[in-house]
Amino acid sequence: DAGITQSPRYKITETGRQVTLMCHQTWSHSYMFWYRQDLGHGLRLIYYSAAADITDKGEVPDGYVVSRSKTENFPLTLESATRSQTSVYFCASSESGPGGGYTFGSGTRLTVV
Amino acid sequence: GENVEQHPSTLSVQEGDSAVIKCTYSDSASNYFPWYKQELGKGPQLIIDIRSNVGEKKDQRIAVTLNKTAKHFSLHITETQPEDSAVYFCAASIGVGAGNMLTFGGGTRLMVKP
Repeated sequence: DAGITQSPRYKITETGRQVTLMCHQTWSHSYMFWYRQDLGHGLRLIYYSAAADITDKGEVPDGYVVSRSKTENFPLTLESATRSQTSVYFCASSESGPGGGYTFGSGTRLTVV
Repeated sequence: GENVEQHPSTLSVQEGDSAVIKCTYSDSASNYFPWYKQELGKGPQLIIDIRSNVGEKKDQRIAVTLNKTAKHFSLHITETQPEDSAVYFCAASIGVGAGNMLTFGGGTRLMVKP
């Protein structure tokens, strides 16, 4: 199916563990983004990518790593999870970047215990 | 960087009434202003957007207005229905260049009472 999919939908992990959230889009959009959504903070940009092998930091990148070896995939890795990283994570893609609409995935709810 | 403030944080209206959500932005270079609707358990979905060369845009019951001088823009929903209940986000960007990403407002929870 065409679209943008995130996996897993829900994840519980322990403090200090490494966890990777997956994002896959089928449109070959150039731009991809990772946001986290927390009560009182709205949507905050973690990392973004303008093309394969091109990534850059957003507003809250500390503790996260991204890669983009293929246009369609943009995984987000928490190298050593902390409780403050408990959040809902959204991946998005866009054909034209910040000057056009974003299409969001359904989100991953991550709980760090 | 850009800062977007959104008000109110919660809004309750009776079915059939109108709802207005307002946003202000700080960077006068911003020229692209989308609005997203987020239903429970889902990702945000683009519902309407406006660019700085336009003062108003309508799509059925939804309209967005932009005041560049005052640096604010608003979402207007007329004849509200229960299915309009959701969280709405405004956003702004300069619109060009990989470094100029969308900045989102804090969101408005709209509740439409039947």
